[in-house]
This record gives sequence, C-alpha cells and structure tokens, in this order.
Amino acid sequence: DGGITQSPKYLFRKEGQNVTLSCEQNLNHDAMYWYRQDPGQGLRLIYYSQIVNDFQKGDIAEGYSVSREKKESFPLTVTSAQKNPTAFYLCASSIGGGSSEQYFGPGTRLTVT
Amino acid sequence: GNSVTQMEGPVTLSEEAFLTINCTYTATGYPSLFWYVQYPGEGLQLLLKATKADDKGSNKGFEATYRKETTSFHLEKGSVQVSDSAVYFCALRSGAGGTSYGKLTFGQGTILTVHP
Repeated sequence: DGGITQSPKYLFRKEGQNVTLSCEQNLNHDAMYWYRQDPGQGLRLIYYSQIVNDFQKGDIAEGYSVSREKKESFPLTVTSAQKNPTAFYLCASSIGGGSSEQYFGPGTRLTVT
Repeated sequence: GNSVTQMEGPVTLSEEAFLTINCTYTATGYPSLFWYVQYPGEGLQLLLKATKADDKGSNKGFEATYRKETTSFHLEKGSVQVSDSAVYFCALRSGAGGTSYGKLTFGQGTILTVHP
C-alpha cells in the first residue's frame, strides 16, 4: 500500500539533545512538508521541499533542520536550539507543490524533558 | 497575511444531532478551502474541499459551501454518529501568484465528541 510512514510514533529525549524524526513516502510525490501541532492550535509549517536537494523554511523553522537527499525521505532534526520542542509532528507529501493535495502521515509525538 | 478562524470548542453532541462547525477566513486572491479530520492519535485526513466560490464540498455526509461574500466555509452534517468524534480543521490554500502560493494555513481545530 502507498502511504507516508513516520517513525517512531512516540519519542522521548532529554533536553539538550538533538533528535531526528523520520518521514518516508512511497507515493512518488515530489513535495514534502513538516508541520508542528500543539494543543488548541492548528498546524504550523516548519519546512517544505518541492524537489530533491532543495528545501525552504516555513513559518517556524528556528531550531529545526531538514535534508532531502532522496525523493522518498525528508527527515526532520529537532535541535537543542528549539526552545519548546515537545509537540506532535506531522509529515505530509503532495504530487507537486502549489495546487496539489497534501497527504499526511500518522505523526510522531516528541516529548523532551 | 492569510488566516483561518474556527468556532471555539469543544463541541459535544448526542448521536443523530445536527452539526455545524463555523469557519471564516482572511485571504488575498482566490484561495481553495478544506476541511481535514484527525482521529485520536492519527494524522490528518482530507474530508472535503472547495476550490472556488459557491462550490459545495461533500463527503461521508459532511458538507461545506465556499461563501466568498461572507468569507466562510462552515462544516455541516445532518446526523452525527459516535464514529464522527474527532478533531476537525478548516484550512485554506493560497491561490496562484504571490510568495505564499500553495501553502496551507490551518485553523486551531475543533474537538467534536458524540455521545450515544
């Protein structure tokens, strides 16, 4: 089945450690996205990538980094510079950028203590 | 900039009740409008969409009409079920042109709980 995989579902880290969240898709989509979800708030865009080896900052990129070395993969690193990293992180992909539909993965809940 | 405002939640209904979740937006140009649903512990699923004024999106008994004159996209369902309990997000995507083309802007989400 085609889809978007995020792993792990739950992730726990100590403050001051970097952590990388995985996102893989087998939909042959060109564009991929990372969103952050906090209680009582909508999703906010962290980074997006329209094509391999290219990515752009979203609205809340500070303290995060990404790479896009393969079409299928778009890992997100939450660095120690992110002041409030505990959140639910959602990855999405679309056939292209712009007007195409975005499909979401199941999410990773990150807790930093 | 673009923004989406949803009615305050949570919303609690009995099974078979009528549902309305209000959504209004601010955007330049001609955005597309969406409703997404998130079941507990899961990612978002597209529920319905409308791409131009007066379009009606519908799916699984849910409907929403793109009203440009009132900048609204209210979600409705005539008879809710327990299985409809979830978080509902209204979102917009900018129309063509401008630096924000294609970006999704979300409302804060509305929690719906349906009791038997």
